[in-house]
Amino acid sequence: GENVEQHPSTLSVQEGDSAVIKCTYSDSASNYFPWYKQELGKRPQLIIDIRSNVGEKKDQRIAVTLNKTAKHFSLHITETQPEDSAVYFCAASIGDYKLSFGAGTTVTVRA
Amino acid sequence: GAVVSQHPSWVICKSGTSVKIECRSLDFQATTMFWYRQFPKQSLMLMATSNEGSKATYEQGVEKDKFLINHASLTLSTLTVTSAHPEDSSFYICSARGTGDAYGYTFGSGTRLTVV
Repeated sequence: GENVEQHPSTLSVQEGDSAVIKCTYSDSASNYFPWYKQELGKRPQLIIDIRSNVGEKKDQRIAVTLNKTAKHFSLHITETQPEDSAVYFCAASIGDYKLSFGAGTTVTVRA
Repeated sequence: GAVVSQHPSWVICKSGTSVKIECRSLDFQATTMFWYRQFPKQSLMLMATSNEGSKATYEQGVEKDKFLINHASLTLSTLTVTSAHPEDSSFYICSARGTGDAYGYTFGSGTRLTVV
């Protein structure tokens, strides 16, 4: 099955700086790549997603890039704010079916 | 937007008893339901996938006789943890897929299960 690796496991940034999280996937048939933000004890919230026919997508301070050849995708958060502190998960799916999640990145934004 | 209601939000039960967790899609028809388990500070691990009216497909290593999944209607899916033991204590969360505008993955709010 699909294997998704995520790095780093923890990330501490100064408020206003950028944060980058990287994921790699194993199955070249994967075609949907969402990113989720999860606060303690809460449900994951979709923050951005990208499909395999697109190389980059941006939504305000958040952007995702996809490199199909290298089988990796990244989340970029610019101008980080304290409320960006949370655990972020990348995921991948084949044919929009079951999602395989990365291990998660705990992001801490220092004020 | 699409909403999935999950109950209970937390439950404490004694070892050996069974616990049922419900997920209801409130404003769309959930053709597929995914059930995940999440241990503290870990990722979401898919336990099983169910399509309405069909038997669930379990991931490798998940005991289907212990984690009973029912998806009898397009708006309700249940997960029953049978003969629960302390090692079953975890955060259980469902994710529903519909069609049309509800095509994405809509997560329930999760259930914190503690077995004592």
